[in-house]
Amino acid sequence: GEEVAQTPKHLVRGEGQKAKLYCAPIKGHSYVFWYQQVLKNEFKFLISFQNENVFDETGMPKERFSAKCLPNSPCSLEIQATKLEDSAVYFCASSQVRSGNTEAFFGQGTRLTVV
Amino acid sequence: AQKVTQAQTEISVVEKEDVTLDCVYETRDTTYYLFWYKQPPSGELVFLIRRNSFDEQNEISGRYSWNFQKSTSSFNFTITASQVVDSAVYFCALTDGSSNTGKLIFGQGTTLQVKP
Repeated sequence: GEEVAQTPKHLVRGEGQKAKLYCAPIKGHSYVFWYQQVLKNEFKFLISFQNENVFDETGMPKERFSAKCLPNSPCSLEIQATKLEDSAVYFCASSQVRSGNTEAFFGQGTRLTVV
Repeated sequence: AQKVTQAQTEISVVEKEDVTLDCVYETRDTTYYLFWYKQPPSGELVFLIRRNSFDEQNEISGRYSWNFQKSTSSFNFTITASQVVDSAVYFCALTDGSSNTGKLIFGQGTTLQVKP
């Protein structure tokens, strides 16, 4: 596709429930990045992939968060046993190359609300 | 450590005024990239510009212009003759060039409100 597609747009989960977010990168883009936007403005890098391989997971909380990018499937970000503090907008971005020599294109985001 | 600071949390202007959004960055890399993104009320992130550390030429695109100054580690963004549709949150971001991870370090964002 010509745009990064994130689903669902909104997700509401009770505390302790699982949440799974999906991202289809732009066709031909090898790199996928996940960011968490909390408090409306603050962005936090979570994880990046080069094709199906994890490239950088330094931002991922060690517990409860996991992510995958499998061939011929949308990438996914899963949160086990959600907490109130996980409420945020989760953005996925894709790019052709890893360096800043090209821009990353962002999806519309998934707003996760944990109640 | 890399850091991006947007000291202006909120700016309010009246339509047709010029407005400058400040961005100051910190990095030890000699090769790096700077970006500006716009986040309108609808929530998506819209790419505006990319600049690499070796290109200090200022850039103009319509009513938008960018002033990159390595000497002061700043990459400021000016909107000329602002319009109501410019109302949004604007983010400055930095990515490294040497470790080449590609991840973006965002500033805190500046909320711009343009009143009619």
